[in-house]
Amino acid sequence: DAGVIQSPRHEVTEMGQEVTLRCKPISGHDYLFWYRQTMMRGLELLIYFNNNVPIDDSGMPEDRFSAKMPNASFSTLKIQPSEPRDSAVYFCASSPGGNQPQHFGDGTRLSIL
Amino acid sequence: SQKIEQNSEALNIQEGKTATLTCNYTNYSPAYLQWYRQDPGRGPVFLLLIRENEKEKRKERLKVTFDTTLKQSLFHITASQPADSATYLCALIRVSGYSTLTFGKGTMLLVSP
Repeated sequence: DAGVIQSPRHEVTEMGQEVTLRCKPISGHDYLFWYRQTMMRGLELLIYFNNNVPIDDSGMPEDRFSAKMPNASFSTLKIQPSEPRDSAVYFCASSPGGNQPQHFGDGTRLSIL
Repeated sequence: SQKIEQNSEALNIQEGKTATLTCNYTNYSPAYLQWYRQDPGRGPVFLLLIRENEKEKRKERLKVTFDTTLKQSLFHITASQPADSATYLCALIRVSGYSTLTFGKGTMLLVSP
């Protein structure tokens, strides 16, 4: 079991640039979650998918953020344009059921200069 | 407003002692409560899940209690080891149409030899 795979692990870019974060969930998991973690706010749910369909995106901070899941093995989180306040660690997680334990990737540390 | 509170100050204990971490919540009626461990630079790792109708759950040296009257969960690590040093996060699932996991900010545990 390879676990949840995220890329890149680190991203440093300038304000205004487009950022794309990628996630490969565990095979067979029907749920995929995107989180953001900061010291101030902790771990916050941004959006989650069930069977590739977005179910709840109420945590997405603003229209600059978008997420897609074109198939069961791949999801992206895009920020366009990026701003310094978007700097955080972004985690992807998957689970076999909505109330089941979640398996997290090791995150993407994003720094917007 | 809904709140999940964990001690923000690190808990320092000596090897061999029992570590007890607290998770308090307000304005929630959680169906499930989960505990995760997070090491620096890594994603959270699931440890234990306890349901609202369960008082206690054990797994090896770990024990979780869930008191829905006090709105509190306690997480115990017996015979603690330096390898147990990490940040521990509690998370609540509130089943209300959508099943979403809300995390506390975590408590850092430091076990000294």
